[in-house]
Amino acid sequence: QKEVEQNSGPLSVPEGAIASLNCTYSDRGSQSFFWYRQYSGKSPELIMFIYSNGDKEDGRFTAQLNKASQYVSLLIRDSQPSDSATYLCAWGGSQGNLIFGKGTKLSVKP
Amino acid sequence: AAGVIQSPRHLIKEKRETATLKCYPIPRHDTVYWYQQGPGQDPQFLISFYEKMQSDKGSIPDRFSAQQFSDYHSELNMSSLELGDSALYFCASSPGSSYNEQFFGPGTRLTVL
Repeated sequence: QKEVEQNSGPLSVPEGAIASLNCTYSDRGSQSFFWYRQYSGKSPELIMFIYSNGDKEDGRFTAQLNKASQYVSLLIRDSQPSDSATYLCAWGGSQGNLIFGKGTKLSVKP
Repeated sequence: AAGVIQSPRHLIKEKRETATLKCYPIPRHDTVYWYQQGPGQDPQFLISFYEKMQSDKGSIPDRFSAQQFSDYHSELNMSSLELGDSALYFCASSPGSSYNEQFFGPGTRLTVL
């Protein structure tokens, strides 16, 4: 069973702090990883994708992938109240479909 | 930029009725995925199409069927609806690259009474 594990939270951070979201996966063959943000009742919105070991930065977001340890993380710098949402980690299977984690609910307090 | 379009946005049906959900992918995206998301759950993959052919199948009930048409839009047909089918149904499209970046539509909220 190919699985993606996430801490469901909730994770609460003060405004301006760094939020750290983590995800582990079970399939060593996994090649591509995605972070989606989902506001309540809305559709998942792609934030970052990463395929190579190491860090990938895009604005306030940094994705980190460690294939040897089978984890992927998302750092959000200078967190804003508008970042409050559920963050879904997903990996892309060989047939293209996404396998999602349960999501981590992030709350950024003003 | 154009996004994925889904219709209808909301749908209310009675048990044992049928429903058809439509998805129009981003232009030049040739791959469509359908996901079901129950309350408080993560999205679950149902089925996907690449170049109008079914490419993968997930946890889609036998009561559901789907297809992709020549203009790449897709329809999800749901029959003999059950209360447990009440959920958000998302369509996502991808340019068909090997990196599987998928862009989600706004979803159809289906309520079965």
